[in-house]
Amino acid sequence: EPEVTQTPSHQVTQMGQEVILRCVPISNHLYFYWYRQILGQKVEFLVSFYNNEISEKSEIFDDQFSVERPDGSNFTLKIRSTKLEDSAMYFCASNRGAEETQYFGPGTRLLVL
Amino acid sequence: QKEVEQNSGPLSVPEGAIASLNCTYSDRGSQSFFWYRQYSGKSPELIMSIYSNGDKEDGRFTAQLNKASQYVSLLIRDSQPSDSATYLCAVKETNAGKSTFGDGTTLTVKP
Repeated sequence: EPEVTQTPSHQVTQMGQEVILRCVPISNHLYFYWYRQILGQKVEFLVSFYNNEISEKSEIFDDQFSVERPDGSNFTLKIRSTKLEDSAMYFCASNRGAEETQYFGPGTRLLVL
Repeated sequence: QKEVEQNSGPLSVPEGAIASLNCTYSDRGSQSFFWYRQYSGKSPELIMSIYSNGDKEDGRFTAQLNKASQYVSLLIRDSQPSDSATYLCAVKETNAGKSTFGDGTTLTVKP
């Protein structure tokens, strides 16, 4: 069964460094999302992406964040200058049609020291 | 701020019992409703989706939606220890839009 994949599974970085989190959505899906979950807190929406552009973003998704679909398969989230409070689990999700369910990847656990 | 509220846990039921999980949402324009299961340190795993008022059954799981009351619930029949997890209610305003999640309810099924 097709699934969303994410790399790396864990990332440790120093405050101020740039990180790129990678996702490969399910191949025939058209809508892509990033969410994050700080330890012990709820899953929070960051950004949605459709037709090669951002369709919606949250207040969390400030100028330090960017997303890109550099080729036909990858979907990346870049954090330009990481802060301690960026430490969280980051989930990529995708769905095929507008009315269909989002499927989540396994997540990348980011730790900023 | 659009809110999704879930009944506070933790919830503990004996094996074989019915577990009832509840969720209310603030946005009357919400279109799609989902229940996810999340094990500690793992990603949300879809259990049920529901789009119209009424009940939807899938095996031991039944989702109920009442848009007039802005309420969605999940019943788990014949609860098993493997059902022990955090259950997340998620709501989408539009079919293509983001999901807004509740805080989750942690369920423990005791053998």
